[in-house]
Amino acid sequence: AQSVTQLDSQVPVFEEAPVELRCNYSSSVSVYLFWYVQYPNQGLQLLLKYLSGSTLVKSINGFEAEFNKSQTSFHLRKPSVHISDTAEYFCAVFSGTYKYIFGTGTRLKVLA
Amino acid sequence: EAQVTQNPRYLITVTGKKLTVTCSQNMNHEYMSWYRQDPGLGLRQIYYSMNVEVTDKGDVPEGYKVSRKEKRNFPLILESPSPNQTSLYFCASSSVGGGGAFFGQGTRLTVV
Repeated sequence: AQSVTQLDSQVPVFEEAPVELRCNYSSSVSVYLFWYVQYPNQGLQLLLKYLSGSTLVKSINGFEAEFNKSQTSFHLRKPSVHISDTAEYFCAVFSGTYKYIFGTGTRLKVLA
Repeated sequence: EAQVTQNPRYLITVTGKKLTVTCSQNMNHEYMSWYRQDPGLGLRQIYYSMNVEVTDKGDVPEGYKVSRKEKRNFPLILESPSPNQTSLYFCASSSVGGGGAFFGQGTRLTVV
């Protein structure tokens, strides 16, 4: 069965410091990969996605993620975080079984 | 504006009283699904639908029903709610190509 693992349930980081949120997936078939962000009392918003092509994908607000097929990973990074990045981040895969499978989420807490 | 609309946003009900949470999307998406979000468990899929009159169970379907009579609507029905169904529910839609799901704002359900 496919699964998504986000090892870190919470990540505290100081403002302007870099951050990496880890995501590993298990799948024997080709997958599409996503990162979603959830701000308090809101739904999930698509942050970035990998469907094909370049393995490095970027969002408009400075986040990036790299698809690594050999390590089955899709880690999310930002070189300098802001207070406004405080949110919960979910990694997800979509495969030929027509299901989105989500990780358990990582709470990013940016400290002043 | 492309959106997924859920109603109601908040609902408190009593055990055993049937309820329906509505979900509507305006993007002509074929794929719709329901998730519940619980602390430490991430998002778990309840049911999904590939198109009109085509539905299938997700990971946690017990106690829930769905129907897909029209492409834009995908209501979630709890015939006899129980306290363990207290949760935050999200509806999502996407094209079948798996390009990323759009989420509603969520419905916070409390069953007492």
